[in-house]
Amino acid sequence: DVVLTQTPPTLSATIGQSVSISCRSSQSLLHSNGNTYLHWLLQRPGQSPQLLIYLVSRLESGVPNRFSGSGSGTDFTLKISGVEAEDLGVYYCVQGTHAPYTFGAGTKLELK
Amino acid sequence: QVQLKESGPGLVQPSQTLSLTCTVSGFSLTSNSVHWVRQPPGKGLEWVGAIWSGGSTDYNSALKSRLSISRDTSKSQVFLKMNSLQTEDTAIYFCTRKLGLWGQGVMVTVSS
Repeated sequence: DVVLTQTPPTLSATIGQSVSISCRSSQSLLHSNGNTYLHWLLQRPGQSPQLLIYLVSRLESGVPNRFSGSGSGTDFTLKISGVEAEDLGVYYCVQGTHAPYTFGAGTKLELK
Repeated sequence: QVQLKESGPGLVQPSQTLSLTCTVSGFSLTSNSVHWVRQPPGKGLEWVGAIWSGGSTDYNSALKSRLSISRDTSKSQVFLKMNSLQTEDTAIYFCTRKLGLWGQGVMVTVSS
């Protein structure tokens, strides 16, 4: 199975600060059909997860554009340009290129 | 209204079988995949399995021997059955449409 390694495990930020989360895969996530099925989710405390970014860099409808995703192959990054209080929670990357799907262990974003 | 809702027993005895139902509304199961994801208390997300729009399934490698996912398209329901339950299976179980729309989750405790 594909292993996704997220770093850092915990991120402390002030409001307005820009931060990045890394997700590295144990194998390339480029599918034979040309798509890369790497997505990012946010789980706020006590809530169900929410899709933020799909297919590496596509912003889910309704998600603020301070969130952006980039990367290719095995290395991917989620960037938040100007953290807001509502962004606090745990961020997960998830891959769907290779069955079975797998999640990263999560990155907890907290206020400094 | 487009939504998913999980239902099932809150408490299951060890070695018994877990049966959960995900009832969806506002979309067709023949056009959308539905995934099951679980989250042990205080831990990260774990992909359990999925049933694709065509009816085929994929499962978590570690759970595959105990797991079955099926559906009744006429009732807009997806079913999860997992046998030989252990305490480690205690978790919130979510169903989600393509990871983009999530149910509220159902807490399942495995205990005698």
